[in-house]
Parts: sequence; C-alpha cells; structure tokens
Amino acid sequence: QVQLQESGPGLVKPSETLSLTCVVSGCSINSAYYWGWIRQPPGKGLEWIGSIYHSGSTYHNPSLKSRVTMSLDTSKNQFSLKLSSVTAADTAVYYCARRRSWNDGGAFDIWGQGTVVTVSS
Amino acid sequence: DIQMTQSPSYLSASVGDRVTITCRASQTISNYLNWYQQKPGKAPKLLISAASSLQSGVPSRFSGSGSGTDFTLTISSLQPEDFATYYCQQSYNTPRTFGQGTKVEVK
Repeated sequence: QVQLQESGPGLVKPSETLSLTCVVSGCSINSAYYWGWIRQPPGKGLEWIGSIYHSGSTYHNPSLKSRVTMSLDTSKNQFSLKLSSVTAADTAVYYCARRRSWNDGGAFDIWGQGTVVTVSS
Repeated sequence: DIQMTQSPSYLSASVGDRVTITCRASQTISNYLNWYQQKPGKAPKLLISAASSLQSGVPSRFSGSGSGTDFTLTISSLQPEDFATYYCQQSYNTPRTFGQGTKVEVK
C-alpha cells in the first residue's frame, strides 16, 4: 500500500532553515498526484503549506511569503520542503501527504505520520 | 483566501447518538469539500471527499452532504472509536484551507 514517511531535524534554531524530506513507497511521485505539506502547531488546527507536481510546478500558501521551497527527487521517489528564516511560530507537527488532482476532487488521501519540529535556540 | 467555518467547535455526545457537524465556506466551492478525522497523536484520515464520496474502508455510518457554501458531516450512530476531532477542507482553490476543527467528546 502507499506510505509516506517524513524525516528531518526535530530542532531548528531561529532564523535558520527547516528542511524536511518525505519518502514515498507504493506509488511513483511521477504519477498523476500532487505531493503536499501541511503543518499543525501544538494544540491548533491544520495549515496547508504547499504542493508540488511531478512537472515541478509548485503552489504554496501566500501567508508563508517567499520562505517556502519545495522540490522532487524522482530517483529516490521523495520530495522535500525547505522553510527559511524560521521563528517559534513555525514550531509544529509537519505532515507530508498525497493530494489527488483537482479533477479528482483534490483531497489529501494519504498522509505521513508527521514529524515534530521545534524552533528554539 | 476562502475561510472555512465549522460548528460547533466542541460537541459532547454519547455512544449511539446521531452527530451532525456543519462547515460553511466564505464563498462557493461547488462540491470541493473534504472531511478528515484526527485522533490524538495521529495524522488526519480522509473520510469523505467531494462533499459526499465515502472513502474505501470508512464505515457507512459516516455521510456527507452539501454543495456551494454549506456542508454537513453526519455520524448516524456514534461509536467509541469515533471520538476524535473532525476537520473540513476546501480543495476548490489555492490556498487550500481547513476549518478550525470540531472535537467530539464523551458526554
């Protein structure tokens, strides 16, 4: 079955760059899906960060301004997130997820288990 | 951005109760509305897509309805494993946005 697994440092210092990777198994990232990132601050709701398609097209939340960079590594069947200039407000559980195409409803149908990232000096 | 507003934010219910959660979009989103269930310490799980399409493996006591701006998630007979937080999410346009969540608690 399709599985996603996030990995990356659990602690990042303020003003530095958060880097996460999501390894996909059971589904090629070259298939007709988008691949996305969603985060959840402690005790709060879900916030969409952005999505990337196998063509390289990316879409991100304007609220994060230009701090977000997403990329794909088709040879490793994985995709990545970089969030620059982090502050304590970026402390959250970060999820990667598979997103269906818009024509197919656009839901996030498969999620990783999530990884906790804390921003602190 | 499209704002998604759920009501109520908290709901106390008993096993066997019929539970209804509503989600309102700040502008029309056709049927591009999805429902997720999240349990503590776990990732969200997709229950319903496209407003009313039940996902494979999800019990039939869950159902969704609505179109345009107003949507409903109904649990026909609440089971012990259904105590969780539920989120709606619009997939009509970018940025994708979620409701604030509805926590279903034991009465």
